[in-house]
Amino acid sequence: DQQVKQNSPSLSVQEGRISILNCDYTNSMFDYFLWYKKYPAEGPTFLISISSIKDKNEDGRFTVFLNKSAKHLSLHIVPSQPGDSAVYFCAASANDYKLSFGAGTTVTVRA
Amino acid sequence: NAGVMQNPRHLVRRRGQEARLRCSPMKGHSHVYWYRQLPEEGLKFMVYLQKENIIDESGMPKERFSAEFPKEGPSILRIQQVVRGDSAAYFCASSPVENQETQYFGPGTRLLVL
Repeated sequence: DQQVKQNSPSLSVQEGRISILNCDYTNSMFDYFLWYKKYPAEGPTFLISISSIKDKNEDGRFTVFLNKSAKHLSLHIVPSQPGDSAVYFCAASANDYKLSFGAGTTVTVRA
Repeated sequence: NAGVMQNPRHLVRRRGQEARLRCSPMKGHSHVYWYRQLPEEGLKFMVYLQKENIIDESGMPKERFSAEFPKEGPSILRIQQVVRGDSAAYFCASSPVENQETQYFGPGTRLLVL
């Protein structure tokens, strides 16, 4: 039962442009959302999170938007840099420790 | 290195052998979580432990898998009589007491069962 879905397995973007990653969820009990970045052969690195009481959270080049009515969140990276090439995972929790992850989106930033 | 540490990074076992994966949480973190990632999938929760206590093992297979987090030393995920389907990346994460939802992950152990 995939409660968190990342429907785009890959994304290619030119350096300097905006990367937009999307994530949908089905469990209405989810109230905390996170984005992780993962390089090959490494563990996921926490990027940014958002609580359900907010609809936007920004940290440097990274902004996460939450649309609760649509059960949708997105991660914007601007401007995209070559070092941003990685797999990005969306994760969610229902006021507890059990994170549910999407399958990931592989981002490739072209020079 | 103040991050989550896992070892070994790579582990090869033959079917029927035992696999032991170790995890040391970040300094100051007392909560440990284990996740498994199968190829082309996201991470799946397995178990949540605090020192000397298993809090939630609802994601663990009922047989052959066990976990512990002793008073001293790292957390151990143990897989007995491994089968090919156990081949995966196993990630450990830790969190502080005050924010269990923001978890910091180790580099993972890649288990290959021949």
